[in-house]
Parts: sequence; structure tokens; C-alpha cells
Amino acid sequence: EPEVTQTPSHQVTQMGQEVILRCVPISNHLYFYWYRQILGQKVEFLVSFYNNEISEKSEIFDDQFSVERPDGSNFTLKIRSTKLEDSAMYFCASSELISTGSNTGELFFGEGSRLTVL
Amino acid sequence: LAKTTQPISMDSYEGQEVNITCSHNNIATNDYITWYQQFPSQGPRFIIQGYKTKVTNEVASLFIPADRKSSTLSLPRVSLSDTAVYYCLVGDNVAAGNKLTFGGGTRVLVKP
Repeated sequence: EPEVTQTPSHQVTQMGQEVILRCVPISNHLYFYWYRQILGQKVEFLVSFYNNEISEKSEIFDDQFSVERPDGSNFTLKIRSTKLEDSAMYFCASSELISTGSNTGELFFGEGSRLTVL
Repeated sequence: LAKTTQPISMDSYEGQEVNITCSHNNIATNDYITWYQQFPSQGPRFIIQGYKTKVTNEVASLFIPADRKSSTLSLPRVSLSDTAVYYCLVGDNVAAGNKLTFGGGTRVLVKP
């Protein structure tokens, strides 16, 4: 079964450092997402991406965050200058192009990248 | 997006049926009801989606009454591996671009 893969599985960084989290979405999917989950809290939407541009972003996704699809397969989340409160599990997800009616709009999530900011 | 309310936690035993009811009084005409499952330290996983009446797949059943103001996820004969958090989400897939808004979910603990 096709799956979303994420690297690294765990990254420890110092406050103020830049971090890039990488994702390989399912190959025929066209919508891509980043979510995060702080330990013990809800899964929170960060950003959605379609047709090489951001389609929606949350309040969490401020200027410190950016996303990119540098080639045909990877989808990255960059945090420019990490803060302690950025420590969380970051999930990448992808979905097929939405069509009305029969498509469930199911999102396929990766296993996550755990970011620890010291 | 319609707000959802579901129990914070439920305990069950192996082999029992688990039913989790979600309230969504403000559901809109175009909204679908979707359930996701999340195991510890893993990403959420789609379980089932429905619009009205009953939907069944190999994992679960989803019961939706005529007024659609609530829904019940039914997990038949649970095992220890069904211990997870179960999220009820309500929204218009097309308008939301598949963006999901997760609530707190229901933490299901299956005991031996």
C-alpha cells in the first residue's frame, strides 16, 4: 500500500537554528499538508499546498515557517529560527485531487517527525 | 466547520463492541462525517466516512440518524490493538480543501 514517508523521524536542535523536515507524499496525490501535535495536545493544521502554492494556512504558520516542493516528489517544511514552543510531532499528509461526489477526501498521514528544541 | 462533541475517554474489554457517539448539532447540508484513528506516536489514519444512514467497511460501521446531528462509530469485537484516540470530524471536503480540524478525540482503552 502506498504511504507517506517522513524524515527525519526525530531531530534535536538548539533554539534559533533552522530545521527542515522532509516528506515524500503518495505519488499521484496533488494536495499536501503539514500538521503538528504538541505532546498531549490536539493535532493542529499548519498549511495546505496545491499546484505549487499555499492554498491555506493557520495562524500558527507565521513568517518563521515555509513550505516548498523542490522537485516532483519531496515536500518540505522549514522552520527558520526554532523556538522552544516549536517542539512537537510534525505530520505530513497528502490527498488526491478533490472531486465532488464519490471522493472521500481521505488524508494519508506519515509517521511524523519529532522535533525537540533545546 | 461544524463543532463536534465526543466523550473524552472510554474503557472496554477485548471482544466487546465499542460505540462512540459524536454530536454535531450545527452540521451543514454539504458536510460529511469522517472518523480518524490515531495510535500513540503515529499519524492519524482514516477509518470511515458517511453522509447519512449507515456505512460499513472492514474496520467499522458508522451510524447516522436522519437529522444528522449526531453519529456513532461502532468498532466490533475490539482487540488490544484498537487502543487509540478516535476523532470525529465534520466538514465540507470540497470547500475545506480537505483541511481537517481535529478536536480532542475519544481515548479508547481496550483492556484484556
